[in-house]
Amino acid sequence: GAVVSQHPSRVICKSGTSVKIECRSLDFQATTMFWYRQFPKQSLMLMATSNEGSKATYEQGVEKDKFLINHASLTLSTLTVTSAHPEDSSFYICSASPSPGGNEQFFGPGTRLTVL
Amino acid sequence: SQKIEQNSEALNIQEGKTATLTCNYTNYSPAYLQWYRQDPGRGPVFLLLIRENEKEKRKERLKVTFDTTLKQSLFHITASQPADSATYLCALPSQRGSTLGRLYFGRGTQLTVWP
Repeated sequence: GAVVSQHPSRVICKSGTSVKIECRSLDFQATTMFWYRQFPKQSLMLMATSNEGSKATYEQGVEKDKFLINHASLTLSTLTVTSAHPEDSSFYICSASPSPGGNEQFFGPGTRLTVL
Repeated sequence: SQKIEQNSEALNIQEGKTATLTCNYTNYSPAYLQWYRQDPGRGPVFLLLIRENEKEKRKERLKVTFDTTLKQSLFHITASQPADSATYLCALPSQRGSTLGRLYFGRGTQLTVWP
């Protein structure tokens, strides 16, 4: 149980285009999902907290207009990287918790984004 | 904000030995602390959660301790196996008393267990 999927697993795009990444909780409902970014040899950095039916809460320094988050249902959150640039190339990982407190999080397999 | 330090970037041990990884934090004492395993190119996998009122927690060959005085957690893998080779991350909630699930992660310790 408690499986989280992400799609796509890898994406390569041209600079200036937008890319959408999906995060799904497959066997539980997640009121809250989280989006992280991880650069090589670095820790996971929390980007935003995605709440079903409301606006996402972004961490300091994360541009909300560049990283659009939509959490339309209890099992799906999407992250759209708008006008992507090479410096946005990274490993994007989502997580979800079956409990409102989110003490135990289940992570997706990640999406490797490469912007040319 | 919280600063999280994991003792070393890499740890190499022989199969059968006990691996001990360290996680230190510098600011507030969190209500709980978590340990995750991450394999290359994959998302983290939850291993253990220990709360501030718990000194020790075990799960099969894994043991975690939490010393709020030292602001430190130790993560032990006993009878280590090559399959235990991975990066191990510690994570803390973003603020004292937080129940919102926002986590801060350490950079991780890459463990290699050789036969």
